[in-house]
Amino acid sequence: AQSVTQLDSHVSVSEGTPVLLRCNYSSSYSPSLFWYVQHPNKGLQLLLKYTSAATLVKGINGFEAEFKKSETSFHLTKPSAHMSDAAEYFCVVSVGNNDMRFGAGTRLTVKP
Amino acid sequence: NAGVTQTPKFQVLKTGQSMTLQCAQDMNHEYMSWYRQDPGMGLRLIHYSVGAGITDQGEVPNGYNVSRSTTEDFPLRLLSAAPSQTSVYFCASSSNGGIGQPQHFGDGTRLSIL
Repeated sequence: AQSVTQLDSHVSVSEGTPVLLRCNYSSSYSPSLFWYVQHPNKGLQLLLKYTSAATLVKGINGFEAEFKKSETSFHLTKPSAHMSDAAEYFCVVSVGNNDMRFGAGTRLTVKP
Repeated sequence: NAGVTQTPKFQVLKTGQSMTLQCAQDMNHEYMSWYRQDPGMGLRLIHYSVGAGITDQGEVPNGYNVSRSTTEDFPLRLLSAAPSQTSVYFCASSSNGGIGQPQHFGDGTRLSIL
């Protein structure tokens, strides 16, 4: 069985400061891992994807995530937050063609 | 570029009513899926399809039916709506490789069952 735990339901940062959104996963096999972002009243948009090619994955809008197998973590980071980054972020684990599990989400607030 | 289009955007139903949520994609994707999003629970997979004529159940299929007669369309049917089905529903599609590939999402249908 596989599962995802997002360790923070809400993260608040000031504009220009670093962002860290934490995700731990559980999977019996080598997983594919994703981060998606959801802006209000919109569908989810892919930020980045890990598929074992490299442990540090770069995504869109300056986000990146590091896969750490020993810690079963896939934390999302950004060096400098922008007001437009305020949204809900989902960590997702996928194994095979029909099993995809979403974390509960982390709401990111960016203060001016 | 339309991508994934869901209709309607909002709907209010009474308990016991039926309705169909529509989903269409114009990217010639083989894989399509339906999710529901509830507060504090992320998205949960309802049904999915790997191609026309092929559908299968996801994590929470009870109370929902699907069919896939064309590559473009993947409607979700509620035969007898229940208050527990109040949720936001998302349709998604992806290229060959299925759920392990990046998903393209519609903007959602917000459904309330009274």
